Amino acid sequence: KAGVTQTPRYLIKTRGQQVTLSCSPISGHRSVSWYQQTPGQGLQFLFEYFSETQRNKGNFPGRFSGRQFSNSRSEMNVSTLELGDSALYLCASSLSGDNTEAFFGQGTRLTVV
Amino acid sequence: ELKVEQNPLFLSMQEGKNYTIYCNYSTTSDRLYWYRQDPGKSLESLFVLLSNGAVKQEGRLMASLDTKARLSTLHITAAVHDLSATYFCAVVNYGGSQGNLIFGKGTKLSVKP
Repeated sequence: KAGVTQTPRYLIKTRGQQVTLSCSPISGHRSVSWYQQTPGQGLQFLFEYFSETQRNKGNFPGRFSGRQFSNSRSEMNVSTLELGDSALYLCASSLSGDNTEAFFGQGTRLTVV
Repeated sequence: ELKVEQNPLFLSMQEGKNYTIYCNYSTTSDRLYWYRQDPGKSLESLFVLLSNGAVKQEGRLMASLDTKARLSTLHITAAVHDLSATYFCAVVNYGGSQGNLIFGKGTKLSVKP
């Protein structure tokens, strides 16, 4: 079966712009989580969506937001981009989030210049 | 707040040698994952450890979990070059009503001939 699909794979944006990243989970999975990976901070949890509702949120500023659609696809938006937002953004899907294994997509590499 | 510590962070091994990566976590959790990441790639799930005393093996890798000590180990037997990657442990965080993953900083493994 198809895995987790993230688009686009690579993005270059300018400071101050905004960006939207997309994640299509594995068919039948209803939970989508987003993670930011940087060399300095490692992998950090951004937020989790389940059935179109944000269930959990990490310690990121309000510039980071997301949403989930009725087909479980999720988007993540970052407004007013800063250089420090340059990172690999990973999306993970799982059946329900609680106590179910998470499968990761290939990630979107965002570079802010 | 749940914290996950891995050590060592860097590991250079000779082919054929054995070594262990350690993952300590600070608060109770009943689910621990090990992931592998190749450079520029996403996270590949290696093991899911669900209960105290759980041990799982795949090829040259063996993972175990001691929930009382809040410790998991990833043991590498007779290392080969193909095992060179970064290995992450992740613990389910029940800080909210649902779970999310808290990752260790990762162990970058380099296996040399």
